[in-house]
Amino acid sequence: QVQLQQSGPGHVKASETLSLTCSVSGGSISTYYWNWVRQPPGKGLEWIGYIYFSGGTNYNSSLKSRLTMSVDTSKNEFSMRLTSVTAADTAVYYCARGDRGWLEDYFDYWGQGTLVTVSS
Amino acid sequence: SSELTQDLAVSVALGQTVNITCQGDSLRNYYASWYQQKPGQAPVLVIYNKNNRPSGIPHRFSGSTSRDTASLTITGAQAEDEADYYCQSRDSGDKQHFVFGTGTKVTVL
Repeated sequence: QVQLQQSGPGHVKASETLSLTCSVSGGSISTYYWNWVRQPPGKGLEWIGYIYFSGGTNYNSSLKSRLTMSVDTSKNEFSMRLTSVTAADTAVYYCARGDRGWLEDYFDYWGQGTLVTVSS
Repeated sequence: SSELTQDLAVSVALGQTVNITCQGDSLRNYYASWYQQKPGQAPVLVIYNKNNRPSGIPHRFSGSTSRDTASLTITGAQAEDEADYYCQSRDSGDKQHFVFGTGTKVTVL
């Protein structure tokens, strides 16, 4: 059974960098692609971006200038960094495995979520 | 980027049927997937590939699509189905980007 375990700080100061890591167990990171999704308190889901095991990425246009994703296949884990955070970046952040069909993409396994609060 | 619009909230009597809809231009070209999210928990995939259920998802969940609207149907709703439901699809402007619906709160009466 595939499991995604997230790690990273729950508090970040405004203007600093948010960093999270997702460790994959029960399967290889060298297949599928690996996403980050966030959810502000009381609000809906927002796709942040994804990374392939090869290092190829695709980011949400609204976050692209501040976002970097990386992958470490030797550790079976992937990470995200979001710079210059503000209160608007306060959210629960999820990692999720992505799979692709002919006419769709979907997220079939999710991490437990990390509430990241940005404070001044 | 494209948008996917859902009703804010719907209610259903225990054992009855409820349809949750998701409307957006991207659905004319791509399928929607559906997720269930209970308070304080991560989303769970309930429908993918138009009308396929992952292992462990009850048969009472089904999906369909017509033109620009996708639907999730719960036939014989149970108390444990009370949750938020989100659709998700590719972005009509860039199929490598993804978008979630606005979410529907389902209350089982």
